[in-house]
Amino acid sequence: AQTVTQSQPEMSVQEAETVTLSCTYDTSESDYYLFWYKQPPSRQMILVIRQEAYKQQNATENRFSVNFQKAAKSFSLKISDSQLGDAAMYFCAYRGNTGNQFYFGTGTSLTVIP
Amino acid sequence: ETGVTQSPTHLIKTRGQQVTLRCSSQSGHNTVSWYQQALGQGPQFIFQYYREEENGRGNFPPRFSGLQFPNYSSELNVNALELDDSALYLCASSLGSGSKVTEAFFGQGTRLTVV
Repeated sequence: AQTVTQSQPEMSVQEAETVTLSCTYDTSESDYYLFWYKQPPSRQMILVIRQEAYKQQNATENRFSVNFQKAAKSFSLKISDSQLGDAAMYFCAYRGNTGNQFYFGTGTSLTVIP
Repeated sequence: ETGVTQSPTHLIKTRGQQVTLRCSSQSGHNTVSWYQQALGQGPQFIFQYYREEENGRGNFPPRFSGLQFPNYSSELNVNALELDDSALYLCASSLGSGSKVTEAFFGQGTRLTVV
């Protein structure tokens, strides 16, 4: 079974600074999707960014970017110019190309310090 | 807002009782997945419904069952509730199944407490 590991239970960052959240995964598949979801206290999972494994170029969405290292099975999220509204739980997730389910890590709680 | 709505938002049940949770998928989406998120954990896949048929199941016992209706809304039923069933239950809506699914949109969840 696929596993997703987030080794940082908690992270903090000063407002306007940059922070990187780590994620590693284990799979025997060659084609898959990776995601970062944000879960604020409202509980709703919000998609932050998505990466297709067949694309070598790292995905970017405004202040959010990823460092996807397929050989190392690593998928980190970089948040630039951190804002107070970025404070939330961040979950890394994997979905295989043929599977139906998302596999989530245990999450990283991000605190943004004013 | 994703357009995925879940009801109720909070629920308290007694051990041994049965519970039904509801989810309305985003307009145009024909696939609904259910996840259980225990406190301090990531969501765990329960099962998925695609065009009213169960289309994959995670490692959950048969007392977790579901339905999908012709309008693609869905129910999650849990019988013989146990204390460990206390969790946030998330519904995710998507279009298509298998390799056609590129992302899922989640509802705000139902917080179930079993006492």
